[in-house]
Amino acid sequence: LAKTTQPISMDSYEGQEVNITCSHNNIATNDYITWYQQFPSQGPRFIIQGYKTKVTNEVASLFIPADRKSSTLSLPRVSLSDTAVYYCLVGFYSGNTPLVFGKGTRLSVIA
Amino acid sequence: GAVVSQHPSRVICKSGTSVKIECRSLDFQATTMFWYRQFPKQSLMLMATSNEGSKATYEQGVEKDKFLINHASLTLSTLTVTSAHPEDSSFYICSARDTSDSYNEQFFGPGTRLTVL
Repeated sequence: LAKTTQPISMDSYEGQEVNITCSHNNIATNDYITWYQQFPSQGPRFIIQGYKTKVTNEVASLFIPADRKSSTLSLPRVSLSDTAVYYCLVGFYSGNTPLVFGKGTRLSVIA
Repeated sequence: GAVVSQHPSRVICKSGTSVKIECRSLDFQATTMFWYRQFPKQSLMLMATSNEGSKATYEQGVEKDKFLINHASLTLSTLTVTSAHPEDSSFYICSARDTSDSYNEQFFGPGTRLTVL
């Protein structure tokens, strides 16, 4: 599994765009990049997944450069309810291969 | 998306007693479920992989005789914390993968907060 590095914490004001970057220098050819969100006292929730270039859904965008050694999760116009821990996971997860979580980024959104 | 439930959501018990936590996949079958533990301000730590009809696979450092896992059906896995002690107090989260899902997404339960007095 590729080792990931992301900031421990970030602060943002409401309405701003937040970009969380994850480094994964030893990503393998068949690895995908997946982001999960976790609110306090809840299980993690899938946000977005990508392999290369850009992926966008109703919640976020994921930007992946050509070398795939990093990725950036972009949250548009955050609100207080986006305060959570965001985890970047890199690997090829299927069948009975469990997700392995790193430390994550604790995002605090301030009014 | 698929739903994973856990019961109970919160439990308080006395030291030395055993506690059972149930994990159910509500709208899909899961041959494999995963159990995680999370201490305050820390990340999720994988404890074991639960396989339907066979023995669970435990991560290094997790005592299999203390954390008994039973995966008796395709929709139910249970974790029993035996002879619980205060240091077992934690947030326990189960998870399952819907292998019919194109993203191979791993769905998580809401977690169970265990407090051992």
